[in-house]
Amino acid sequence: EAQVTQNPRYLITVTGKKLTVTCSQNMNHEYMSWYRQDPGLGLRQIYYSMNVEVTDKGDVPEGYKVSRKEKRNFPLILESPSPNQTSLYFCASTLGDRRRFNEQFFGPGTRLTVL
Amino acid sequence: QQQVKQSPQSLIVQKGGIPIINCAYENTAFDYFPWYQQFPGKGPALLIAIRPDVSEKKEGRFTISFNKSAKQFSLHIMDSQPGDSATYFCAASEAAGNKLTFGGGTRVLVKP
Repeated sequence: EAQVTQNPRYLITVTGKKLTVTCSQNMNHEYMSWYRQDPGLGLRQIYYSMNVEVTDKGDVPEGYKVSRKEKRNFPLILESPSPNQTSLYFCASTLGDRRRFNEQFFGPGTRLTVL
Repeated sequence: QQQVKQSPQSLIVQKGGIPIINCAYENTAFDYFPWYQQFPGKGPALLIAIRPDVSEKKEGRFTISFNKSAKQFSLHIMDSQPGDSATYFCAASEAAGNKLTFGGGTRVLVKP
């Protein structure tokens, strides 16, 4: 089954304790993104990657890091989480073909609470 | 500044009614306008999408209307059903759909 998986689904942590949220897709997609969802603000892109070893900032990158060492995986790293990073996080992937319009496939989400 | 503005934030209709969700955008470089549907505990899923060279698109009971000159587009859910109760997001992209700018979302409740 074609899908995007995220782990963990729920996480409660404390300020300053480094954490990683994993994301994996099995569709051989080139383009992967991380979004955060907050009430009234919709989803906002944090970071994206157009291919292995190619990453760039989205609209709200402060406090986050990413890496893309393999095509299928795109982990999100919070080196020193703060309470304002409490949010619902989604990983997404898409084919990345600029010759056509690409549907984005979203993972199930990770609800993060930083105390 | 939110580049895609969505209204209303929430909507309650009776079964069979027609919820209408409106979105407005600023960036004239946007060339792809998808709508995503999200159920509680799930990630958003593509519902329907339109390009600016088309003024209307229908897929089943879902219709997008697009007004390029006004930089506005809307989603109509015809003959709405309780199973349509979800949060709907409009979005826009200038990168072949690879990067999406989302509206704030509309929570739709369809009462039986």
